[in-house]
Amino acid sequence: EDQVTQSPEALRLQEGESSSLNCSYTVSGLRGLFWYRQDPGKGPEFLFTLYSAGEEKEKERLKATLTKKESFLHITAPKPEDSATYLCAVGYNQGGKLIFGQGTELSVKP
Amino acid sequence: DGGITQSPKYLFRKEGQNVTLSCEQNLNHDAMYWYRQDPGQGLRLIYYSQIVNDFQKGDIAEGYSVSREKKESFPLTVTSAQKNPTAFYLCASSNRGDRGETQYFGPGTRLLVL
Repeated sequence: EDQVTQSPEALRLQEGESSSLNCSYTVSGLRGLFWYRQDPGKGPEFLFTLYSAGEEKEKERLKATLTKKESFLHITAPKPEDSATYLCAVGYNQGGKLIFGQGTELSVKP
Repeated sequence: DGGITQSPKYLFRKEGQNVTLSCEQNLNHDAMYWYRQDPGQGLRLIYYSQIVNDFQKGDIAEGYSVSREKKESFPLTVTSAQKNPTAFYLCASSNRGDRGETQYFGPGTRLLVL
């Protein structure tokens, strides 16, 4: 069964305390792995797309990496404004459809 | 500014009533999608359309209907057959391509039942 699992469900960090969020997946024919940030009551905001194992992308304090079974979103020296829910999604063989994980709720305290 | 707009931001439905959520995009994207988001759950696909005048059911299409008469517009109707419609509804759009194409989301509509 095609599945995407994110861990942990919730993560509390102190400002400046680096950490990683995990997204593990089992799909037939990966056609891209996508990371989004979602603030309460708003639509998801696109962060990264990764297509191949070994690929990495960075944006400010965020870095996304991809292996054949999972992706990590590394957050370096986070700030309170990084607090949000981070969603992972994978595209698979059935056209443009995505499967979403449940998200990781990140809270960064000053 | 290019983007996706959804209206209204909040919508109240009475029992037995059909309601329609609007989604418009000016990104010139071919594909459009509707998702439902419930607390503690990931986004679930309701319907999607890859070209005008064509659409497919997603994982939870029962109680919903859509149309795609224009490239820019993909309205979603929540019918009275949907017994648990309270949720946050998100519209997205993307290009079509051989690789997985990034989906961009609108601001969402929160549907509440009176």
